[in-house]
Amino acid sequence: AQKITQTQPGMFVQEKEAVTLDCTYDTSDPSYGLFWYKQPSSGEMIFLIYQGSYDQQNATEGRYSLNFQKARKSANLVISASQLGDSAMYFCAMREGLSSGSARQLTFGSGTQLTVLP
Amino acid sequence: EAQVTQNPRYLITVTGKKLTVTCSQNMNHEYMSWYRQDPGLGLRQIYYSMNVEVTDKGDVPEGYKVSRKEKRNFPLILESPSPNQTSLYFCATSGDRAGESDTQYFGPGTRLTVL
Repeated sequence: AQKITQTQPGMFVQEKEAVTLDCTYDTSDPSYGLFWYKQPSSGEMIFLIYQGSYDQQNATEGRYSLNFQKARKSANLVISASQLGDSAMYFCAMREGLSSGSARQLTFGSGTQLTVLP
Repeated sequence: EAQVTQNPRYLITVTGKKLTVTCSQNMNHEYMSWYRQDPGLGLRQIYYSMNVEVTDKGDVPEGYKVSRKEKRNFPLILESPSPNQTSLYFCATSGDRAGESDTQYFGPGTRLTVL
């Protein structure tokens, strides 16, 4: 079974509007972390935001927020006030076994290509 | 400036010709790893290293080797490359405090084509 599922291969949003990118995950580990990365056309992977499984509040970083619904196993990324520079591929990723000090492997979804329209 | 560097950034080679992609970090991180990225598959981990002389397989280790003789370097070795190893490769490192929200810093990527 897929551990990270991103069901939207492509999304379009009008500049200055908000957009939500979906991510669902599957794990039986009670201690895990969820990450979002941005990959522009230049290829680099840019860390955006992190949510721990025990965090009580949804994570926020500037225009990025993570809508964490633990019972539904979803960790959607919300980008407010979209800008043209937000056009990129966005990846959701998970790291399991936070409490055990185990290998810090990130498992990635297949990504969502976001295009911001002027 | 905190950096992860990879070399080369682009490489075209032929089947069977051994190659090494280097990765170096200046953040004194113990943890380093290699990923490959293929269309529709996201990123998949090849190998990782928790510390010097400690390496282990990720999800797709076949056809690759790594070594970790120094903390700052983690080269990826393809002893006999094949066309199915054509991919975009990323090196990543993260801080030493397992269990915390340590960000994984990615290198700029190496685009490899095996003919």
